[in-house]
Amino acid sequence: SQKIEQNSEALNIQEGKTATLTCNYTNYSPAYLQWYRQDPGRGPVFLLLIRENEKEKRKERLKVTFDTTLKQSLFHITASQPADSATYLCAFSGYALNFGKGTSLLVTP
Amino acid sequence: DTGVSQDPRHKITKRGQNVTFRCDPISEHNRLYWYRQTLGQGPEFLTYFQNEAQLEKSRLLSDRFSAERPKGSFSTLEIQRTEQGDSAMYLCASSHTGTGGRIDYGYTFGSGTRLTVV
Repeated sequence: SQKIEQNSEALNIQEGKTATLTCNYTNYSPAYLQWYRQDPGRGPVFLLLIRENEKEKRKERLKVTFDTTLKQSLFHITASQPADSATYLCAFSGYALNFGKGTSLLVTP
Repeated sequence: DTGVSQDPRHKITKRGQNVTFRCDPISEHNRLYWYRQTLGQGPEFLTYFQNEAQLEKSRLLSDRFSAERPKGSFSTLEIQRTEQGDSAMYLCASSHTGTGGRIDYGYTFGSGTRLTVV
């Protein structure tokens, strides 16, 4: 069956460093994937979309890569700030988005 | 347009009661989705509409769950005979699809309805 896996452990990093989150998938060939940010008690907020024929996408301090050979997406936040602390969700295309469990990121001053 | 609106934000109900949630999507969006999210998990897809047509409902959790989108505008999600296991956050999202169903943008989610069944 289709499976999406994100780092189950929370990621703690120091302010100013680059945070890298991983999303792996199996039994799946998505046409695109998306990354979302979710704060406690709120709905997810869309960040980036990348298609299968794109290797990399950037938006301000965010960068997403999509490796269809490794079946993996990496999500980077450069020059991280405490305000970046949240849960980050990856989601793959289907007739509707299929989400991973999310990875919690904590950026400390 | 202020985004996707969900009502109520919180609902506490007794086991066995029926509950109905409402979602008002972004007016320009032609697709509307319902998800359920429990603590520590990602959103779990339930059903979606394109305009007024419900295109996928096999992932609704049981026959106690039903959704409608009359006239392709707002949508309602109803849970009949609620059980404690139904306690969760119910999220609504909307999106716009381009020519041939192409997705160029992400979903816009509402803030959700938190259901507690006691």
